[in-house]
Amino acid sequence: GDSVTQMEGPVTLSEEAFLTINCTYTATGYPSLFWYVQYPGEGLQLLLKATKADDKGSNKGFEATYRKETTSFHLEKGSVQVSDSAVYFCALSSSGNTPLVFGKGTRLSVIA
Amino acid sequence: NAGVTQTPKFQVLKTGQSMTLQCAQDMNHNSMYWYRQDPGMGLRLIYYSASEGTTDKGEVPNGYNVSRLNKREFSLRLESAAPSQTSVYFCASKLQGFIANEQFFGPGTRLTVL
Repeated sequence: GDSVTQMEGPVTLSEEAFLTINCTYTATGYPSLFWYVQYPGEGLQLLLKATKADDKGSNKGFEATYRKETTSFHLEKGSVQVSDSAVYFCALSSSGNTPLVFGKGTRLSVIA
Repeated sequence: NAGVTQTPKFQVLKTGQSMTLQCAQDMNHNSMYWYRQDPGMGLRLIYYSASEGTTDKGEVPNGYNVSRLNKREFSLRLESAAPSQTSVYFCASKLQGFIANEQFFGPGTRLTVL
């Protein structure tokens, strides 16, 4: 079945450091890929998405590129801020009629 | 437009008590979901409802029941709560049919079973 694997956390970075959170997937066909973010005490919210190979999703300085050849969708940000501290979830959808499949989440802590 | 709402926000139960978690969405979505989130376990799907009148088991359905009351509302019931059900519960909804449609999440219910 479909699955998502993302790097284990926690990840601790200093403010203005470069961020990469790795995500790889296994799916049939051509899934859509998502990154969700969960701030402390809140529900998940969509950060960005990509729907086909070589698409780049971007939002709030975060980017991720849909790489079909490596089945990856790594999340990157050039300069993190304390306010980026959160849990990040990679997810995929291989059908419009089934739930998203989520990775286990990666906790990011950014220190000033 | 409130999105996905959940009640209550917090709840403490004693072992064996029952309760119902409520979820409602105002986005005219046809699919709704219940997840639980435990530390280090990510999100686990409990039940989902692809459309009004249908429900299906997810990864961890034991100890729970659900009711899709109408298109807007999807409730989760714990008949006899156990300490292992201490968790944060999230409801989500999605417009079915298009592969790129995102799921929208509620703010969560934090449940403690003593």
